[in-house]
Amino acid sequence: DAGVTQSPTHLIKTRGQQVTLRCSPKSGHDTVSWYQQALGQGPQFIFQYYEEEERQRGNFPDRFSGHQFPNYSSELNVNALLLGDSALYLCASSALWGGDKDTQYFGPGTRLTVL
Amino acid sequence: AQTVTQSQPEMSVQEAETVTLSCTYDTSESNYYLFWYKQPPSRQMILVIRQEAYKQQNATENRFSVNFQKAAKSFSLKISDSQLGDTAMYFCAEEAYSGAGSYQLTFGKGTKLSVIP
Repeated sequence: DAGVTQSPTHLIKTRGQQVTLRCSPKSGHDTVSWYQQALGQGPQFIFQYYEEEERQRGNFPDRFSGHQFPNYSSELNVNALLLGDSALYLCASSALWGGDKDTQYFGPGTRLTVL
Repeated sequence: AQTVTQSQPEMSVQEAETVTLSCTYDTSESNYYLFWYKQPPSRQMILVIRQEAYKQQNATENRFSVNFQKAAKSFSLKISDSQLGDTAMYFCAEEAYSGAGSYQLTFGKGTKLSVIP
């Protein structure tokens, strides 16, 4: 049973560019959440997707957008990259039902460096 | 808004000994979950243990157990028989519903635990 997967592992971009990060949820999960983790900090919630819609959003600008596909996989897009966007981006998946309902399981993350 | 506080930035413990990591939280929600996650240098965030707020019984998972004090809004993690593989950043997190079925994790800043041989 595959866990949460993310691609790519590492990414280097320059200021002003756009980036797309990808996430496949754990088998049986239908909800995907994205988090940004700056160096030495705890993760910060960006947004959550369920049934292909953004259900909740954290305190992040509109430069951060996302999408969820019918197979529950998800993308995170960041436009007009700033140096401050350099961070580890974590994807987490969860399900509304089952023994571990509402428990978020994380992928290995994508390390984004903006130069 | 939820806040989670971990007051111990760093801790160390001898192998095979017991260590307790502290966490306090502040929420106005009545229905919520509490978690401890472990993040080793490999950076994968791994679930350690989960506690449902409406359950009075403290959760346990093998060598890991929690002391959940709901009135005090305290949620500490005890690691027994510490092993070298327990060396990692430990994050306390609260998950609360925010309407329309949505929910999010709010994390503390983490405690760096080092297990010494």
